[in-house]
Amino acid sequence: QVQLQESGPGLVKPSGTLSLTCAVSGGSISSSNWWSWVRQPPGKGLEWIGEIYHSGSTNYNPSLKSRVTISVDKSKNQFSLKLSSVTAADTAVYYCAGTYYDILTGYEAGFDPWGQGTLVTVSS
Amino acid sequence: EIVLTQSPGTLSLSPGERATLSCRASQSVSSSYLAWYQQKPGQAPRLLIYGASSRATGIPDRFSGSGSGTDFTLTISRLEPEDFAVYYCQQYGSSPRTFGPGTKVDIK
Repeated sequence: QVQLQESGPGLVKPSGTLSLTCAVSGGSISSSNWWSWVRQPPGKGLEWIGEIYHSGSTNYNPSLKSRVTISVDKSKNQFSLKLSSVTAADTAVYYCAGTYYDILTGYEAGFDPWGQGTLVTVSS
Repeated sequence: EIVLTQSPGTLSLSPGERATLSCRASQSVSSSYLAWYQQKPGQAPRLLIYGASSRATGIPDRFSGSGSGTDFTLTISRLEPEDFAVYYCQQYGSSPRTFGPGTKVDIK
């Protein structure tokens, strides 16, 4: 089954750029139409950051759109997140997730699988 | 953007009791594209229910979902010790995908 693994620096300086990669194993990145990034500040709820289609099309959360870039590298079977001009408010656990599809209908059915998450702290 | 509201914020129950969690959307959720997730401390969310009422693979039948339009419910028929966690609803029918603030189910 498909598994996801986030990687990247755990500490980013204010005003810098957060960069994370999600490696897809156990299947092809082209097997799921959409791949997402979700974040969760410590002790708080989940926030969808954006998504990328395996062809490269993207959708972003308007609240972050000006600072976010999501890209895909099919040759490496991975997708990436860049978040610029970070502040302490961007400190969070960042998850990557794939789209789950209903076996019978083929319709989108939420997010599954998820990576284990990686904590990124913004601090000088 | 569709805003999701969950109630109650915290639900204190005993093992074996029934849990009823509510999720209300600020506008109709397209094609009942409403999911429920369970999250335990230090873990990623786990997909329980999609399409408002369909259980994801491997999810026990004590979990059930219902509702349409703007009002949705997650029911856990008899709480097991491993069910005490935070539950989030999510709409994935329109962009941006949005999550509710969560309901914590803790042990009474």
